[in-house]
Amino acid sequence: SYALTQPPSVPVSPGQTASITCSGENLGNKDVCWYQQKSGQSPVLVIFQDNVRPSGVSERFSGSNSGNTATLTISGTQALDEADYYCQVWDTSAVVFGGGTKLTVL
Amino acid sequence: QVQLVESGGGLVKPGESLRLSCAASGLTFNDYYMTWIRQAPGKGLEWLSYISGSGSTIYYADSLEGRFTISRDNAKNSLYLHMSNLRVDDTAIYYCAADYGASYFFDTWGQGTLVSVSS
Repeated sequence: SYALTQPPSVPVSPGQTASITCSGENLGNKDVCWYQQKSGQSPVLVIFQDNVRPSGVSERFSGSNSGNTATLTISGTQALDEADYYCQVWDTSAVVFGGGTKLTVL
Repeated sequence: QVQLVESGGGLVKPGESLRLSCAASGLTFNDYYMTWIRQAPGKGLEWLSYISGSGSTIYYADSLEGRFTISRDNAKNSLYLHMSNLRVDDTAIYYCAADYGASYFFDTWGQGTLVSVSS
């Protein structure tokens, strides 16, 4: 079955750019989406179809996808961005999630 | 606005069954593919099942081993998950989520319902 790999944690200083990666075989051939989940809350979609922001999501969030790696980039990181982030794709009749990355704003 | 509200969670013993419900509002329900996703305490998201707008197409995660059944009642704007032979490791928050038009991403999630399986 298809697998997505994310780093368990990514630290970032306030105001800096955070990059969270998601790796999978030929991932660039799939549509990747990203969810943000703050502590005690339900996940929220922040990027779909690799790089499209839903209405209401900050322009500081952007995405890219090429080769075997998709990346969620958060520019000008703020304390309110501290959360778990999950990548997700559809593969052969199944939804696949990455293991999640905890973004820590130091 | 689109809203999903799960219910039916609770404390059950291993081997018992439970049916979760997800009530949808603010949308044309049969236009939406729906899914169930769970999250064990302190763990990541785990996809369980996915159903088309008409209910004619259904997918399940292999890990469920046939213990869970997804269904929907479009007349009641409701999604269901029937879970049987529950195990301790089924303990989790169960979320329903909506996918408009089989886009394979979920832009609306419920608040989740907690299922605890313990003897």
